[in-house]
Amino acid sequence: NAGVTQTPKFQVLKTGQSMTLQCAQDMNHNSMYWYRQDPGMGLRLIYYSASEGTTDKGEVPNGYNVSRLNKREFSLRLESAAPSQTSVYFCASSVGTGGRGELFFGEGSRLTVL
Amino acid sequence: GESVGLHLPTLSVQEGDNSIINCAYSNSASDYFIWYKQESGKGPQFIIDIRSNMDKRQGQRVTVLLNKTVKHLSLQIAATQPGDSAVYFCAENRLSGSARQLTFGSGTQLTVLP
Repeated sequence: NAGVTQTPKFQVLKTGQSMTLQCAQDMNHNSMYWYRQDPGMGLRLIYYSASEGTTDKGEVPNGYNVSRLNKREFSLRLESAAPSQTSVYFCASSVGTGGRGELFFGEGSRLTVL
Repeated sequence: GESVGLHLPTLSVQEGDNSIINCAYSNSASDYFIWYKQESGKGPQFIIDIRSNMDKRQGQRVTVLLNKTVKHLSLQIAATQPGDSAVYFCAENRLSGSARQLTFGSGTQLTVLP
């Protein structure tokens, strides 16, 4: 079982460049999420999608955009990368929403912005 | 503001001993809590969860205790093994805008000594 797959696993950008992180899940889950993890800190929610066709802001949405392409795929885009966006990004999915129930995480995408 | 936090950032235990990882929360409206384990370079993995109508829940070698009076959550690992070395995160389903989402603490690094 692939579960949640993220690409790329590593990326280095220069300030001002743009990029898209891709995420796909094969568990037929309704909800998908993007978190960022910085050293010494827990995971912080960037955006989430409770169902296909809907997206909502999380705790730290500034500088990011998302697209729920279909039920399987949820992408995160950085339009103009900044050094403050250097982080490890995790995509997750869950059966339901409402903050109850297990989140299944991908392996992470490590982004460095120079 | 309210936040999920941990009492200790690091914990070292001898192999075979029991481990107790603590978590304080301040949002009395949270009604679901979850523990995750994160090994180096990997995504978080679900360990156990508990709803606010319960005080205790047991899994395989793990027990979660919830004390709503003092807003405290703990994870107990029995007979700690080297494979238990990881960062452990607690999370609560805090209200974020109009929806509940999981909010993570900063984590505790558990090191199992031989």
